[in-house]
Amino acid sequence: DAGVIQSPRHEVTEMGQEVTLRCKPISGHNSLFWYRQTMMRGLELLIYFNNNVPIDDSGMPEDRFSAKMPNASFSTLKIQPSEPRDSAVYFCASSSEGPHYEQYFGPGTRLTVT
Amino acid sequence: GENVEQHPSTLSVQEGDSAVIKCTYSDSASNYFPWYKQELGKRPQLIIDIRSNVGEKKDQRIAVTLNKTAKHFSLHITETQPEDSAVYFCAATPSGNTPLVFGKGTRLSVIA
Repeated sequence: DAGVIQSPRHEVTEMGQEVTLRCKPISGHNSLFWYRQTMMRGLELLIYFNNNVPIDDSGMPEDRFSAKMPNASFSTLKIQPSEPRDSAVYFCASSSEGPHYEQYFGPGTRLTVT
Repeated sequence: GENVEQHPSTLSVQEGDSAVIKCTYSDSASNYFPWYKQELGKRPQLIIDIRSNVGEKKDQRIAVTLNKTAKHFSLHITETQPEDSAVYFCAATPSGNTPLVFGKGTRLSVIA
């Protein structure tokens, strides 16, 4: 298994531009999580999906952030318009139900907004 | 909601010594406690986890203990090696497919 796949790995954009981050979970996993990591706030949840349905988006900072999961193998996190304070590493993670429900992280997308 | 506190924030040990990192949590509904290791510029990687129905789990040089009554859990690394140097995060959640709440991390440095 290739593990959780994220793209792009690095993104540099100017303030006000739209940014789309992509994630492919591990095949067979039915829960998908978007986390953000910053020095100040550490690792924090943005949103998570279960069976493609958004369950908790209380961590999404504001309306500029949106996430979708159109099918079991793909999710996007969009920021529009982006701001410098959005600069962070964004991780996608996935897990499955059952006795072995560990969360596995993707390599992350390092976003820099100038 | 859940709150996870992690101590110390930095830890420096001599190679071969043991390292202990401690975490406390607030939500009695939490039943799953994983530990992640993150090297610079890399993803968090699961190194060990424990569920609330056990008090201790060991995997080679790494062990985790859980005290549900006191709401705290700890990571123990014995015979530390330079490659153990990384940031370690504890986390808590009701189950593996619910969101993790992370501690702030411990930067472990193993000095050769």
